[in-house]
Amino acid sequence: DGGITQSPKYLFRKEGQNVTLSCEQNLNHDAMYWYRQDPGQGLRLIYYSQIVNDFQKGDIAEGYSVSREKKESFPLTVTSAQKNPTAFYLCASSIGESGTATNNEQFFGPGTRLTVL
Amino acid sequence: AQSVTQPDIHITVSEGASLELRCNYSYGATPYLFWYVQSPGQGLQLLLKYFSGDTLVQGIKGFEAEFKRSQSSFNLRKPSVHWSDAAEYFCAVGAGAGKSTFGDGTTLTVKP
Repeated sequence: DGGITQSPKYLFRKEGQNVTLSCEQNLNHDAMYWYRQDPGQGLRLIYYSQIVNDFQKGDIAEGYSVSREKKESFPLTVTSAQKNPTAFYLCASSIGESGTATNNEQFFGPGTRLTVL
Repeated sequence: AQSVTQPDIHITVSEGASLELRCNYSYGATPYLFWYVQSPGQGLQLLLKYFSGDTLVQGIKGFEAEFKRSQSSFNLRKPSVHWSDAAEYFCAVGAGAGKSTFGDGTTLTVKP
């Protein structure tokens, strides 16, 4: 089955620690995205990548970092510089530049809930 | 810059009643528009999308949406709501190549 996996589903972190959230897709998509979701605030874009070895900041990139060394993988690191990291994190992918408007919707993973203790 | 507004934060309807969720967008060119649904603690699932052509689009689970350029709207409708439709619904406008801007969502509660 093709899709997007995120792990772990729940993650607990102590203040001052970095933590990495995993996102893997086997849809052969070029583009991948990370969103943060807080109650009442919808989805806010953290980082996105349109191609391997390239990524751009989204609206709320401060305190986060990413890498895109493989097409299938787009891990997100929540650093100690992120002052309020407790949230639900969603990873998504889409066909990207090689696609068209007709097939460029985003496919989402199940999410990771991060809690800072 | 593109933006999406979902005016209703929370809507409650009775099971079997009709549903309309509102979405207004701001975009400089022909928009690519999407509706997604999210169950609690889950990711988002695409319900339907509009990119051109017929302004009334059909989606999964019996949902449809109508694109009205003159009103910059893309409202989601369902003739008869089921209890399993209770979820959060997101409207999104696409910028091409997959990148989208999402609204803040509308939470749907279904009364028995």
